[in-house]
Amino acid sequence: NAGVTQTPKFRVLKTGQSMTLLCAQDMNHEYMYWYRQDPGMGLRLIHYSVGEGTTAKGEVPDGYNVSRLKKQNFLLGLESAAPSQTSVYFCASSSVGVVYFGPGTRLTVT
Amino acid sequence: ILNVEQSPQSLHVQEGDSTNFTCSFPSSNFYALHWYRWETAKSPKALFVMTLNGDEKKKGRISATLNTKEGYSYLYIKGSQPEDSATYLCAFENSGYALNFGKGTSLLVTP
Repeated sequence: NAGVTQTPKFRVLKTGQSMTLLCAQDMNHEYMYWYRQDPGMGLRLIHYSVGEGTTAKGEVPDGYNVSRLKKQNFLLGLESAAPSQTSVYFCASSSVGVVYFGPGTRLTVT
Repeated sequence: ILNVEQSPQSLHVQEGDSTNFTCSFPSSNFYALHWYRWETAKSPKALFVMTLNGDEKKKGRISATLNTKEGYSYLYIKGSQPEDSATYLCAFENSGYALNFGKGTSLLVTP
């Protein structure tokens, strides 16, 4: 039981490049989330999903898109990366109650 | 955006001291209040999930209380140890869907 996994762990992008972060969970959870963590800002919700095929905006959705084509996967896309998107990205999943976090992806946009 | 406030922002105590932190959250549309422990270079791990007013949870030397009517929760650590050093996050859940996190309290326990 791997829990929540994230790919990649680290990435450096140039401004304007695009990329997709992959999150996978093997706990059959309905809910999945993408958060970003910045110094002094805590964890801020980017997008979330309450089930396969559904997505919703969180607190800071601009510049990101998401898809939940399969229940176990939740993809976060950056279409045109900006330096302001330099952050650590955490994926998480839950069923009822406890939220389980992935190990994080450290993204740097130069 | 739901305002979840944690205090203090940081805390430095000596080994053996007992300490407590506060989490304030909106008192309307309450669903659950979560506490997480976040060690450096790791991901947050759940400590407690509380749903009922007056709830008290305990795990070893760590305990938490909940007051949903006035919108606050306390986390207590009895006899702090260096391994308790971490950031403690609280999160408010109002819809059963997504958590709104506070900025955390950073605890450092020195021998």
